[in-house]
Amino acid sequence: DAGVTQSPTHLIKTRGQQVTLRCSPKSGHDTVSWYQQALGQGPQFIFQYYEEEERQRGNFPDRFSGHQFPNYSSELNVNALLLGDSALYLCASRKGMESYEQYFGPGTRLTVT
Amino acid sequence: AQSVTQPDIHITVSEGASLELRCNYSYGATPYLFWYVQSPGQGLQLLLKYFSGDTLVQGIKGFEAEFKRSQSSFNLRKPSVHWSDAAEYFCAVSTRGSQGNLIFGKGTKLSVKP
Repeated sequence: DAGVTQSPTHLIKTRGQQVTLRCSPKSGHDTVSWYQQALGQGPQFIFQYYEEEERQRGNFPDRFSGHQFPNYSSELNVNALLLGDSALYLCASRKGMESYEQYFGPGTRLTVT
Repeated sequence: AQSVTQPDIHITVSEGASLELRCNYSYGATPYLFWYVQSPGQGLQLLLKYFSGDTLVQGIKGFEAEFKRSQSSFNLRKPSVHWSDAAEYFCAVSTRGSQGNLIFGKGTKLSVKP
């Protein structure tokens, strides 16, 4: 049973560019959350998706957007990249909006130069 | 606003010694509390969780945590640390209606001396 998978593992982008990160949830899970973990910090909630809709959003600008597909996989898009967007981006999945138990993927390390 | 404080940035213990990692939270109602562990290059793994009931909860890998409402704390403990426990540990809080939104502390890095 595959856990949460994310791609790519690492990514290097230039300021002003756009990036798309991908996440496949654990089998049987239908709810996906995205987190940003800056160096030396705990993860910060970006948003969560359920039934292909954004259900809750953290304190992140509109440059951060997402999508969920019918197979429950999800994408995180970041436009107009800033140096401060360099971080580990974590995807977490769970079974249903009422569940508290989230399973995290290994993350995508984004470096903006 | 909810917040989680982990006062210790870095802790070093000897292998075989006991461990306690501190976590304090700020929230009006009863929170849902979690401890996660993150090894280098790995995602977060759930060690244990507290929702209600018995305030001493057991987790994986021999870890336990105690919820103390009066102190707004949820400290993580292990009686005997193994070298493989070296990692970063995060305390997190969530609430009903915001189950997907975990609020994390800044983490405590654990080093284990042989």
